[in-house]
Amino acid sequence: GAGVSQTPSNKVTEKGKYVELRCDPISGHTALYWYRQSLGQGPEFLIYFQGTGAADDSGLPNDRFFAVRPEGSVSTLKIQRTERGDSAVYLCASSPHQAGVNEQFFGPGTRLTVL
Amino acid sequence: GESVGLHLPTLSVQEGDNSIINCAYSNSASDYFIWYKQESGKGPQFIIDIRSNMDKRQGQRVTVLLNKTVKHLSLQIAATQPGDSAVYFCAENHTGRRALTFGSGTRLQVQP
Repeated sequence: GAGVSQTPSNKVTEKGKYVELRCDPISGHTALYWYRQSLGQGPEFLIYFQGTGAADDSGLPNDRFFAVRPEGSVSTLKIQRTERGDSAVYLCASSPHQAGVNEQFFGPGTRLTVL
Repeated sequence: GESVGLHLPTLSVQEGDNSIINCAYSNSASDYFIWYKQESGKGPQFIIDIRSNMDKRQGQRVTVLLNKTVKHLSLQIAATQPGDSAVYFCAENHTGRRALTFGSGTRLQVQP
């Protein structure tokens, strides 16, 4: 079956612009996660959805970052007034919501470059 | 605070040798651990996981060892192949928290 897909694969924008990054999770996975990975570092958690609701958004760095998952499937990560420091690979992952199971399946990521 | 780290940033091994990648964690509440493999330009790929009620788990050519006393995790890869060349991350979380905390990674280079 299809894995997690993310679009676009690359996004170049100018400082101050607004961007949207999209994630299509594995079909049937109710849990969806966003992570951010800077060069040479491990992924850092941003936000976790269970269904349509954000169950944990403690990783969002500031109020310029926002994510939605209106129908419990596709999710969009939105970044306002982008800054050069936002440049990173944004990873999406999904997992089935089963007690005791937290294997997260990652997409290929969107590489965001803010000029 | 919580942290998951790695002892060595780069590990170079000969093809056919066994590889051992180490990871330390600091959160005593951590009860679930995962090893991921990440190739250039790709997302992390699940390798193997282990829960805190176990100290060893084996997969195909891989073994994860967990020492809760010293908060140490290791990934052993048997008969390392060129296709194993990648960056390896350990990650953890604990009951009640779904987000994973990742270490900074170890780059494994397999020399032919």
